[in-house]
Amino acid sequence: KAGVTQTPRYLIKTRGQQVTLSCSPISGHRSVSWYQQTPGQGLQFLFEYFSETQRNKGNFPGRFSGRQFSNSRSEMNVSTLELGDSALYLCASSPPADEQFFGPGTRLTVL
Amino acid sequence: GENVEQHPSTLSVQEGDSAVIKCTYSDSASNYFPWYKQELGKRPQLIIDIRSNVGEKKDQRIAVTLNKTAKHFSLHITETQPEDSAVYFCAASSDFGNEKLTFGTGTRLTIIP
Repeated sequence: KAGVTQTPRYLIKTRGQQVTLSCSPISGHRSVSWYQQTPGQGLQFLFEYFSETQRNKGNFPGRFSGRQFSNSRSEMNVSTLELGDSALYLCASSPPADEQFFGPGTRLTVL
Repeated sequence: GENVEQHPSTLSVQEGDSAVIKCTYSDSASNYFPWYKQELGKRPQLIIDIRSNVGEKKDQRIAVTLNKTAKHFSLHITETQPEDSAVYFCAASSDFGNEKLTFGTGTRLTIIP
């Protein structure tokens, strides 16, 4: 079975721009969660989608949004980028009430 | 919301010795506690997990213990090897099973040959 994939792997943007990241879960997994990883804040939960509905949300500003498609693929969008948004963005997929499998992440650099 | 504290932030042990990493959580409703290992430049990978109805779980050289009363859980690695060097994260979850994880701040474990 193919693992969780994320595109792109690396991204450089400037302040004020917006960015869209993509995540393809493991086949059959309907839950997709997104996390932000930074050296200072560690791993922080952004949001989780299940069957195209946002089921959980972390404490991030409204500039961070996401969606899930009928094939369970998910995207997250960050608008009006700030320097502090530079991070590794990880998505994870899971079957119901089971372990989360992480993707390789997208490294976002905001200049 | 849930808060997870993890100690120590760095840990160095001689190869062959044991390593222990401890975490405490704040939400008594938390019922799932996974541990992830993240090697440099790689994705976090689950190494062991425990649910709140179990006090201890072992998998070869790795074990996790859970004390629900005290709201803390620990990772034990015995007979450490150089490939155990990595950052280890504990996490806790109480929402819909396991999908929303609150992570500890991580422990950088270095095994000294």
